[in-house]
Amino acid sequence: AQRVTQPEKLLSVFKGAPVELKCNYSYSGSPELFWYVQYSRQRLQLLLRHISRESIKGFTADLNKGETSFHLKKPFAQEEDSAMYYCALREGDKIIFGKGTRLHILP
Amino acid sequence: GAGVSQTPSNKVTEKGKYVELRCDPISGHTALYWYRQSLGQGPEFLIYFQGTGAADDSGLPNDRFFAVRPEGSVSTLKIQRTERGDSAVYLCASSLIGVAGGTEAFFGQGTRLTVV
Repeated sequence: AQRVTQPEKLLSVFKGAPVELKCNYSYSGSPELFWYVQYSRQRLQLLLRHISRESIKGFTADLNKGETSFHLKKPFAQEEDSAMYYCALREGDKIIFGKGTRLHILP
Repeated sequence: GAGVSQTPSNKVTEKGKYVELRCDPISGHTALYWYRQSLGQGPEFLIYFQGTGAADDSGLPNDRFFAVRPEGSVSTLKIQRTERGDSAVYLCASSLIGVAGGTEAFFGQGTRLTVV
């Protein structure tokens, strides 16, 4: 079975410090990976996908097939980054989510 | 335009009762997904529709759960003989042609179901 693992339930980071949210996956084939974000009282939304290779709100994520990882990074955390972050992969026509990491930015 | 709309936003029901949860996808989106999110967990796939047909219902936990999309637009998730373990947030998402086709899945706000 395909799996997405996010080892941290909660990550607290000071404002201005670097952020790294970890994600590891298991997938037999060429994976398509995503990061979704859910801000307080808002709906789940796509943050970025690895095939786009783009930076959204200062966040980037690089697919490392050797380490089967897709960690989400931002060099300088901002208070508005506080949210739940879900790593996910596409399996056929559905998306499989990890359990999520709550990012808490400390002032 | 409007995003994915789910009604009701909250539903409290007694154990053993029947419930229906409704999802209005973004107009023109052929793909529709239902997910369940229990406390402390990520969204868990239930069923995927392409048009009117259920293309993948492998995530439905048992035969108490059923979903329909008769006209290829609005979908209803139906749960019979509800159990306390069914308590969760039920999420609906729609996508223009489906995530396998590279189009984004847009999520609704969810329906919080509480079985007492």
